[in-house]
Formats: sequence, structure tokens, C-alpha cells
Amino acid sequence: SQQGEEDPQALSIQEGENATMNCSYKTSINNLQWYRQNSGRGLVHLILIRSNEREKHSGRLRVTLDTSKKSSSLLITASRAADTASYFCATDTGRRALTFGSGTRLQVQP
Amino acid sequence: NAGVMQNPRHLVRRRGQEARLRCSPMKGHSHVYWYRQLPEEGLKFMVYLQKENIIDESGMPKERFSAEFPKEGPSILRIQQVVRGDSAAYFCASSPGTGTMNTEAFFGQGTRLTVV
Repeated sequence: SQQGEEDPQALSIQEGENATMNCSYKTSINNLQWYRQNSGRGLVHLILIRSNEREKHSGRLRVTLDTSKKSSSLLITASRAADTASYFCATDTGRRALTFGSGTRLQVQP
Repeated sequence: NAGVMQNPRHLVRRRGQEARLRCSPMKGHSHVYWYRQLPEEGLKFMVYLQKENIIDESGMPKERFSAEFPKEGPSILRIQQVVRGDSAAYFCASSPGTGTMNTEAFFGQGTRLTVV
């Protein structure tokens, strides 16, 4: 089974709205990372949050981490059509390779 | 400073042929990771290599798949006697030599393998 599971699997919103994606994981982590993938392209790193951090911001992105619940959320504020992509959480568990979830497909309608 | 370079971008092979996928890590990165992505799914870890060493191949199928990262040149993922189920996007990522991925990973654009 996946170490990281994103929820929802798909999300469709209007431009200007906020988009929230959640990620749950099973084992202890060193850090959790969020990546974005445009259709047919490689992954682009968005933000990394360490296990001793609870919240992190980067531009319109806000990531939270709750290690007691083994969950993280990614909030994209004031979404734009260009934010349309798949978003993946990835966990660093110390196994020396990132473990990815199955992703949330975000569609932002102009 | 070029990013992670993968080639070819697209590869078509007939069943039974061999597929060779290449990955050149970012300059200064000595750790390479290979992932496979099926349509509409996340990335599945395959193998983690350092120069001339396989560190973790727990995600590699036991047969037909092999990987190397020689002292000189790119990392190679080799799939022998390809079958239709091998059709997927294969991504390579690299990171500095920290021993863990406690930093962001830099991904290539992937190689899309189609087996016909």
C-alpha cells in the first residue's frame, strides 16, 4: 500500500478559489515534500516541511504537518488556471528514497 | 547548470526487445533515483544508485530490469525482453551526496516507454 495517500483524488475549482489537498502517511518520516506535475512532464519540487515543523509558507502555498495524525495538507490560495496539474506528496522515511502518493489532480476553471 | 537530463524522451519498442533509458544527474549530484509512473498513478520507487554502487534496489522487478551508474557517463536503466506491461513513464531524480533525500529531489522530464 502507498506510504502517502492524497485526498481528494481529483479537485475542480474556479479561478480565485482556494484549493486544499491532503496527504496521509503510515510510518515515521524525516520530512514530507510536495511536488507538482504538469501533464506529460516531470515533477517540480514545491515545498519541503521537516518533521519538527508544523507549518510552512511559500508564496501562495501553505503546507501544514501533523505528525500525531500522520497527515499533511497543501493549500493553494487564489488559484489560477496555470495551477492546473497533479500534486503529489512524498515522504522521506530514512529509506533513502522518497515514497510518493498517487496524487491529486487539480483542475482550475478560468 | 543543466537540470537532470533524460533521454530519449519517447521510446517505442516491440515486445521482446531491449530498452535502455539514460539519465545524467545535475552537476555535482552523485545520487540517482529511478521511478516508474503508470498513467493516472503516482511514482513507484525502483532503484537508488551512487557512482558504481547500487544502494537500494528494493523496487526493481527481480527479472529483466537492471540499473547502473558508472564512474563516467550517465546512469542507465535497462529493461530486457520488454513486455506490454513495461509501458510507462520512467523518471530519474538526483540529489547531492547527503545520503538521504533530506533535501529536494530534482527530476528529469522522463522517458515514456511504449511497448507495442
